[in-house]
Amino acid sequence: DVKVTQSSRYLVKRTGEKVFLECVQDMDHENMFWYRQDPGLGLRLIYFSYDVKMKEKGDIPEGYSVSREKKERFSLILESASTNQTSMYLCASRSGGGNFNEQFFGPGTRLTVL
Amino acid sequence: AQSVTQLGSHVSVSEGALVLLRCNYSSSVPPYLFWYVQYPNQGLQLLLKYTTGATLVKGINGFEAEFKKSETSFHLTKPSAHMSDAAEYFCAVISGAGSYQLTFGKGTKLSVIP
Repeated sequence: DVKVTQSSRYLVKRTGEKVFLECVQDMDHENMFWYRQDPGLGLRLIYFSYDVKMKEKGDIPEGYSVSREKKERFSLILESASTNQTSMYLCASRSGGGNFNEQFFGPGTRLTVL
Repeated sequence: AQSVTQLGSHVSVSEGALVLLRCNYSSSVPPYLFWYVQYPNQGLQLLLKYTTGATLVKGINGFEAEFKKSETSFHLTKPSAHMSDAAEYFCAVISGAGSYQLTFGKGTKLSVIP
């Protein structure tokens, strides 16, 4: 079974703090994704990585950066957290064999910025 | 450009009744279509997907969906609702093999009334 794990289920940070959200997958997937989920807005793509050290901006990259130094790990960084970044963050991974392949999701990190 | 519209942010059905969750998409090229389910406090899980071939797709937990190109629809159905089906359901589209980005609808929350 594919397993995607996220470092925290719940996180509370203060405005202006630097925040790291970590995601690890154990199936040697080439592609990894970070999404943000907000009520009534569905999932919106923040960043996508198609290989180690490679990244592409998604629909809402402003205020975020990412790092992928190893194939199994994809980090989302909030350089200076703001209250409007309070949200649920979901990581996903996918085999690089085809864009129609299933994305496997982690359980999510609910981030609150005070 | 691709987009997904899910009609109804909340749907309630009685246990044993038909479940129908509506999804319409727009895509400039033949799409790949997906339905994901999210149970409370969990990540998303793939229910079923359409890539090519047979337009009626069967998924897990008794769900199925039919791709109708003329109606640009991919509605999700289940003949008889069970209490365990209560969750949020997301329709998603990728516009063809050349696109990496999965675009999600805003979700439909399904309640099952005993």
